[in-house]
Amino acid sequence: SQQGEEDPQALSIQEGENATMNCSYKTSINNLQWYRQNSGRGLVHLILIRSNEREKHSGRLRVTLDTSKKSSSLLITASRAADTASYFCATHNTDKLIFGTGTRLQVFP
Amino acid sequence: DTEVTQTPKHLVMGMTNKKSLKCEQHMGHRAMYWYKQKAKKPPELMFVYSYEKLSINESVPSRFSPECPNSSLLNLHLHALQPEDSALYLCASSQDGALLLEKLFFGSGTQLSVL
Repeated sequence: SQQGEEDPQALSIQEGENATMNCSYKTSINNLQWYRQNSGRGLVHLILIRSNEREKHSGRLRVTLDTSKKSSSLLITASRAADTASYFCATHNTDKLIFGTGTRLQVFP
Repeated sequence: DTEVTQTPKHLVMGMTNKKSLKCEQHMGHRAMYWYKQKAKKPPELMFVYSYEKLSINESVPSRFSPECPNSSLLNLHLHALQPEDSALYLCASSQDGALLLEKLFFGSGTQLSVL
């Protein structure tokens, strides 16, 4: 399968803590994207990092990309209860956007 | 308007029924997508339309028939589905019809149950 793998599968933290989730993939990529999905709803695009970039920031989000290790990480700083959701990485290669298995994040107030 | 609107939100159909899912966006996006998502699994790409033309079909069974009548509208026609087709069907759009699969805007989905 070309599907990316994310770990951990589930993560529970307290409000104010940081959350880190990791994504590993198998093929070369044009870019890597992170999406958030609240339960039973559509996905929301969070951030896109291109294959020639190593780090990108957007608000409380920090994404890193290591193409030599075929891996990426998403850091959410100062988490809030509203950050509770599933987070998916998605790797873009030519004509495919393959979503990873996802990390379910629970942030307790 | 930054929304992708999908109707209906929920659909229950029998295996002999014919139904359609509808998706609409008014952001001027030129690429539109259908994804299928089973519970606790990642979305899987079904179809991509670019400039109202089908550009990617991920070997989807013919009981699923997509249609793009204009740049704002995307339909998915369903016929003779199987219970295993029960899933959340997500529509998405992206701005550039030539630069596909970047920064997708998703609708809230149609939760389909096939009895």
